[in-house]
Amino acid sequence: QKEVEQNSGPLSVPEGAIASLNCTYSDQGSQSFFWYRQYSGKSPELIMFIYSNGDKEDGRFTAQLNKASQYVSLLIRDSQPSDSATYLCAVADSGGYQKVTFGTGTKLQVIP
Amino acid sequence: EAGVAQSPRYKIIEKRQSVAFWCNPISGHATLYWYQQILGQGPKLLIQFQNNGVVDDSQLPKDRFSAERLKGVDSTLKIQPAKLEDSAVYLCASSLSRDRPYEQYFGPGTRLTVT
Repeated sequence: QKEVEQNSGPLSVPEGAIASLNCTYSDQGSQSFFWYRQYSGKSPELIMFIYSNGDKEDGRFTAQLNKASQYVSLLIRDSQPSDSATYLCAVADSGGYQKVTFGTGTKLQVIP
Repeated sequence: EAGVAQSPRYKIIEKRQSVAFWCNPISGHATLYWYQQILGQGPKLLIQFQNNGVVDDSQLPKDRFSAERLKGVDSTLKIQPAKLEDSAVYLCASSLSRDRPYEQYFGPGTRLTVT
């Protein structure tokens, strides 16, 4: 059974700080990695995806991937109260239809 | 561009009853997914369709759950009979193709409560 693990939190950070969210995965053959944001009572929405080792930046968000350590992270710079949500890590395998497995999510609270 | 539509948004049933959920994906999206999200957990894939064919239903409890996607567009997910542990949000998502999972768009979900 392929696993994606995240700390459930809550992770509390003050407004303006950097929030660091972490995720590990068990399947060494995983090829694609995603971060979704899910507000309470809403559906997940994709905020970042990364395929290669290293960093990928998009605005205030940076995704980091280390395939050797089977580790993915999401950094949120200048955290805002509107960033308060649950962040889901998702991993797609290398199969023909790239099945996606989600972690349980980390709840982030940005304190004004 | 219209998003993924789902109905109903909420459903309350008693255990052993049956229930059906409907999903209409984004126009032109060949791949359709049904996920179950239990409170406090991440979405779990129940079934994935490519057009009207099933490509993965390994986590679908086939003794009680069924799904179909006729004509490769709309899809229905049915539970019969329901159990208490089926209480969850059922999310439908679609993507343009199966090899572009980063383009999954989720519908608003159906919140099922089984009493």
